[in-house]
Amino acid sequence: EAQVTQNPRYLITVTGKKLTVTCSQNMNHEYMSWYRQDPGLGLRQIYYSMNVEVTDKGDVPEGYKVSRKEKRNFPLILESPSPNQTSLYFCASSPRPGTSVYEQYFGPGTRLTVT
Amino acid sequence: AQSVTQLDSHVSVSEGTPVLLRCNYSSSYSPSLFWYVQHPNKGLQLLLKYTSAATLVKGINGFEAEFKKSETSFHLTKPSAHMSDAAEYFCVVSEGNNDMRFGAGTRLTVKP
Repeated sequence: EAQVTQNPRYLITVTGKKLTVTCSQNMNHEYMSWYRQDPGLGLRQIYYSMNVEVTDKGDVPEGYKVSRKEKRNFPLILESPSPNQTSLYFCASSPRPGTSVYEQYFGPGTRLTVT
Repeated sequence: AQSVTQLDSHVSVSEGTPVLLRCNYSSSYSPSLFWYVQHPNKGLQLLLKYTSAATLVKGINGFEAEFKKSETSFHLTKPSAHMSDAAEYFCVVSEGNNDMRFGAGTRLTVKP
């Protein structure tokens, strides 16, 4: 089944404890992206990747890191999480960058709470 | 830069009545427009998309949307609401490349 998977689905952690949220897609998509969803704000893009070893900042990159060593995986890293990063996170992928025709396919989401 | 405004944060309808979720956009180019649906505790699913072909776009589950350039609108409609339509709906605009801009969302409640 074609899908985007994220792990973990739920995570409660403490301020300053490094964490990684994994994202994997099995559709051979070139483009991958991370969003955070907050009430009343919709989804805002954190980072995106056009292809392996190519990443760039979205609208809200502060406090996050990403890497794209393989085409299928795009982990999100919070090296020192803070309470304002408590949010619902979505990973998404798309067949081809550079065009608006291709919709993005979303993972199920990761709910992160930082205390 | 493009942007999108969903005019209602919450819409409540009775089962069997029409649904209208409103979306206005701003774009300097000919944008692509999407509607996504998010059911509780689920990811986002594409309902429909407009990509400069027919202005009336039909999507899944009986939803459709009409692109009106003169009004910069892309409202989502359905003739008859079903209980399973209760969800949050996002209007999205894109001018290309990676850049998709999401609206704040409209929560649809369907009353029996």
